[in-house]
Amino acid sequence: ETGVTQSPTHLIKTRGQQVTLRCSSQSGHNTVSWYQQALGQGPQFIFQYYREEENGRGNFPPRFSGLQFPNYSSELNVNALELDDSALYLCASSPDSLSNSPLHFGNGTRLTVT
Amino acid sequence: AQSVTQLGSHVSVSEGALVLLRCNYSSSVPPYLFWYVQYPNQGLQLLLKYTSAATLVKGINGFEAEFKKSETSFHLTKPSAHMSDAAEYFCAVSEIDGNKLVFGAGTILRVKS
Repeated sequence: ETGVTQSPTHLIKTRGQQVTLRCSSQSGHNTVSWYQQALGQGPQFIFQYYREEENGRGNFPPRFSGLQFPNYSSELNVNALELDDSALYLCASSPDSLSNSPLHFGNGTRLTVT
Repeated sequence: AQSVTQLGSHVSVSEGALVLLRCNYSSSVPPYLFWYVQYPNQGLQLLLKYTSAATLVKGINGFEAEFKKSETSFHLTKPSAHMSDAAEYFCAVSEIDGNKLVFGAGTILRVKS
């Protein structure tokens, strides 16, 4: 089975620009979650999509937005980039959104904002 | 809200020695708990999960963890460390309303030869 894939692997943007990160979920998974991992920290929950609907959001401003498509792939969009947005962005899929359902992570997109 | 505390940001052990990584959680209800491992420049890989079926949970690569409700702990252990175990380990707890994980800050495990 194909795992979670993310693109691009690395990205460099300038402060104020906009960025779109992409994620293909594992086959059979209908739930996608996005996490931000700053250097030296644990991942922080951004939001989750379940069957194309937002299913929870962490403490991130509205300039962080997302989409989930009918094939359950997903995008994370960040507008008006700030230096503090530099981080590893992780996408994770799961077969459902239940609390005991483990997340399967991709290798992440490393975003650098200069 | 749930929270997770991992004691010790860095742990160093000799090859063949016991590995013990500490995790304490706060939760108002019985939690679902997870341990993940992250190798450099990679995503997170699930080691094991606790979902109330048994308090001692066995995972991949010889790791196991014991859920102790009285101590609100879920420490990760491995009897004998191997060089390939060197990585960063994260403990996480699920939110009540779904699998939105709250992670600890992580523990970097170093294995000395």
